[in-house]
Amino acid sequence: NAGVTQTPKFRILKIGQSMTLQCTQDMNHNYMYWYRQDPGMGLKLIYYSVGAGITDKGEVPNGYNVSRSTTEDFPLRLELAAPSQTSVYFCASSYSGGDQPQHFGDGTRLSIL
Amino acid sequence: GENVEQHPSTLSVQEGDSAVIKCTYSDSASNYFPWYKQELGKGPQLIIDIRSNVGEKKDQRIAVTLNKTAKHFSLHITETQPEDSAVYFCAASMGRPNDYKLSFGAGTTVTVRA
Repeated sequence: NAGVTQTPKFRILKIGQSMTLQCTQDMNHNYMYWYRQDPGMGLKLIYYSVGAGITDKGEVPNGYNVSRSTTEDFPLRLELAAPSQTSVYFCASSYSGGDQPQHFGDGTRLSIL
Repeated sequence: GENVEQHPSTLSVQEGDSAVIKCTYSDSASNYFPWYKQELGKGPQLIIDIRSNVGEKKDQRIAVTLNKTAKHFSLHITETQPEDSAVYFCAASMGRPNDYKLSFGAGTTVTVRA
């Protein structure tokens, strides 16, 4: 099993550009999550999904969008990149909600200049 | 909502010594407490977790203790080795299958000196 795979690993964007961060998991997990990690801070939840076709906002959703058309894939979309979105983004998955551990990908390091 | 505080933010230990990281949480309903290790350039990886029906759990050189009355839990690493150098995160959740939210501490950077 590859676990949770994120692409790309690194990206530099200009202000106002758009991009999609890809995330796929092969563990047949129902729950998937997107977090951002800023220096000296914990992980902040952006969006989450409890299954295909169902998504909801986390703590810091502004400026992002998600979709979940399949169990495996959970892409994160940045529509108009802003410098405040410079961060490391992690995708995670779990079989169910808060009673099971989350499995993380290796992250996408995004810089917006 | 749940607030998790983690101390210290950095910890330097001599190889072979023990390391202890402490976390406190605010919501007495929290029931599930995982610990993650994040190596440079990697995502967080679960190293141990504990549920509220036990007070201590061990896995080789790693142990976690939980005090629900005081609302704090701790990670103990014994006989530290260079490969233990990493950032460690504690987290807390309600521990219910349909409750997604996992609240993370800010992390502890552990450096093991050879």
